[in-house]
Amino acid sequence: RKEVEQDPGPFNVPEGATVAFNCTYSNSASQSFFWYRQDCRKEPKLLMSVYSSGNEDGRFTAQLNRASQYISLLIRDSKLSDSATYLCVVTLSNTGNQFYFGTGTSLTVIP
Amino acid sequence: DAGVIQSPRHEVTEMGQEVTLRCKPISGHDYLFWYRQTMMRGLELLIYFNNNVPIDDSGMPEDRFSAKMPNASFSTLKIQPSEPRDSAVYFCASSPRAKGYGYTFGSGTRLTVV
Repeated sequence: RKEVEQDPGPFNVPEGATVAFNCTYSNSASQSFFWYRQDCRKEPKLLMSVYSSGNEDGRFTAQLNRASQYISLLIRDSKLSDSATYLCVVTLSNTGNQFYFGTGTSLTVIP
Repeated sequence: DAGVIQSPRHEVTEMGQEVTLRCKPISGHDYLFWYRQTMMRGLELLIYFNNNVPIDDSGMPEDRFSAKMPNASFSTLKIQPSEPRDSAVYFCASSPRAKGYGYTFGSGTRLTVV
């Protein structure tokens, strides 16, 4: 079983829409959680960390549900520039600093 | 800070040739990671180092792949001999010592083996 699973999409949404992605993780010992964004033919870049209490950064909200072992990313008022692949990431408590990446969810925001 | 620097950006080589990819991590980052990304398999961890010491190389596909980190500011990933199925984007990333910090990726090396 994969450590991290994501719906690959694609999600095609109109500008201004709200879109949410979920990501599930298999190991209850998972310790840290992140969302990364990857543009076409570019490297992944850290979008935001995910904290237990949930956190917000502008139009982006990340949440963690430890009981159900999933993290989510909500994007409000979608912009064309939000089109990218979004990767969820977890670390385990006993694997040094190693990240486990999901395969990514593709988002296209349509004019 | 210049970020994680990888070279070359693109590499096209013939099957059977040796390929060497290079990475300079961010100064002060104790962890260095080599990933491979393909459409089919996504991001795969090949190997990672902590303080220049290889910690986990279980992701290295086979003996044709080797990685070194002779000092804190330089690492190489070598493929010898290369095969067409090695074609992928190879990313290097580094991270500070403390857990909970994200990785910073280099811009990657796009390798094509013909």
